[in-house]
Amino acid sequence: NAGVMQNPRHLVRRRGQEARLRCSPMKGHSHVYWYRQLPEEGLKFMVYLQKENIIDESGMPKERFSAEFPKEGPSILRIQQVVRGDSAAYFCASSPTRATYEQYFGPGTRLTVT
Amino acid sequence: DQQVKQNSPSLSVQEGRISILNCDYTNSMFDYFLWYKKYPAEGPTFLISISSIKDKNEDGRFTVFLNKSAKHLSLHIVPSQPGDSAVYFCAASVGGSQGNLIFGKGTKLSVKP
Repeated sequence: NAGVMQNPRHLVRRRGQEARLRCSPMKGHSHVYWYRQLPEEGLKFMVYLQKENIIDESGMPKERFSAEFPKEGPSILRIQQVVRGDSAAYFCASSPTRATYEQYFGPGTRLTVT
Repeated sequence: DQQVKQNSPSLSVQEGRISILNCDYTNSMFDYFLWYKKYPAEGPTFLISISSIKDKNEDGRFTVFLNKSAKHLSLHIVPSQPGDSAVYFCAASVGGSQGNLIFGKGTKLSVKP
């Protein structure tokens, strides 16, 4: 049973470019969460999605960041016009139901903005 | 304001001894607590959890204790093994419609042979 998959594992972008991070949840999981980890910090919640729905985006910056989880295909976290402060590790997690508290994490995408 | 605090950034323990990792929280609405283990360049791996209606949960070498009155939980690893060396994150959740986990900053555990 494949775990949560994220790609790319490493992404380098120049300031002003767009970054697209992909996440495929575990088989049978329909709930996806995105977290960001800055150096020496814990993981910070960004957004919680179900298929075709954003359930909670209270942790998302108001500008430049968006997320989707279409009916078919992976969940996408999109960062437009990246700045150096966006450099971080971005983790995706999934769970089978909302009632399941345990979330299973992917390996992360390390974004570096130069 | 940090709702989940891990006040020890690092802990060093001898192989075979007990490791005790601590976590404090401020939000009395949290009803579920989890511990994750993370190796460098990997995602967090779920380790063990506890509901707020319990005060102890055990799984093999890992035991989590919850003291609701003190808003404190701890993870005990016994006996500690060198492979346990990793960063351990405490996380908490409010039930209902909220799905997000709130994480502490982590404690780096080093188990020396």
